[in-house]
Amino acid sequence: DTAVSQTPKYLVTQMGNDKSIKCEQNLGHDTMYWYKQDSKKFLKIMFSYNNKELIINETVPNRFSPKSPDKAHLNLHINSLELGDSAVYFCASSPIGGGTREQYFGPGTRLTVT
Amino acid sequence: AQSVAQPEDQVNVAEGNPLTVKCTYSVSGNPYLFWYVQYPNRGLQFLLKYITGDNLVKGSYGFEAEFNKSQTSFHLKKPSALVSDSALYFCAVRDTNDYKLSFGAGTTVTVRA
Repeated sequence: DTAVSQTPKYLVTQMGNDKSIKCEQNLGHDTMYWYKQDSKKFLKIMFSYNNKELIINETVPNRFSPKSPDKAHLNLHINSLELGDSAVYFCASSPIGGGTREQYFGPGTRLTVT
Repeated sequence: AQSVAQPEDQVNVAEGNPLTVKCTYSVSGNPYLFWYVQYPNRGLQFLLKYITGDNLVKGSYGFEAEFNKSQTSFHLKKPSALVSDSALYFCAVRDTNDYKLSFGAGTTVTVRA
């Protein structure tokens, strides 16, 4: 059973398009996250939701919009894609936001903008 | 503010030799410290964490890490490295008063046979 799953695994699209990445966790966790890993492997938090409430909203372009329909799902919608958006996007979850508990990561979605 | 530094981009060791991956941190409060490993084309996997108590923590796959408050360090160690330990290792810190987990830049470990 996959704990944190993401779809799609690969996404190739052209500049200017709008795309979404979906994330689901079956761990019963309250908190979910989106991270961006760039080509140099730097990992940066983008957003976090705790039980459908936004608790972390880093400085990212407003073309990026997270949506959490319920605490098991956190989707990432990206408008007007740019070349610089090419990266691997990771979803993660943890039992609570902050605190002592570790995060569980999905397999990643490799986004390539051409 | 919180931050993590991993001073080595790469660590190369021979199989069977000890492996150390260095990490130093900066927080305003007390730190919660974590190590994760990323294999090629995979997500991050949790290895171990320090929350409080014993400064030496043991984790998955024979890894351990030592918390040193005076040196603000949390180095990852394995007494005898395996070729299968070759991967990208991330140190991460969370201040006790922060939701965010801040990651270091990562250290690529290569274990040669």
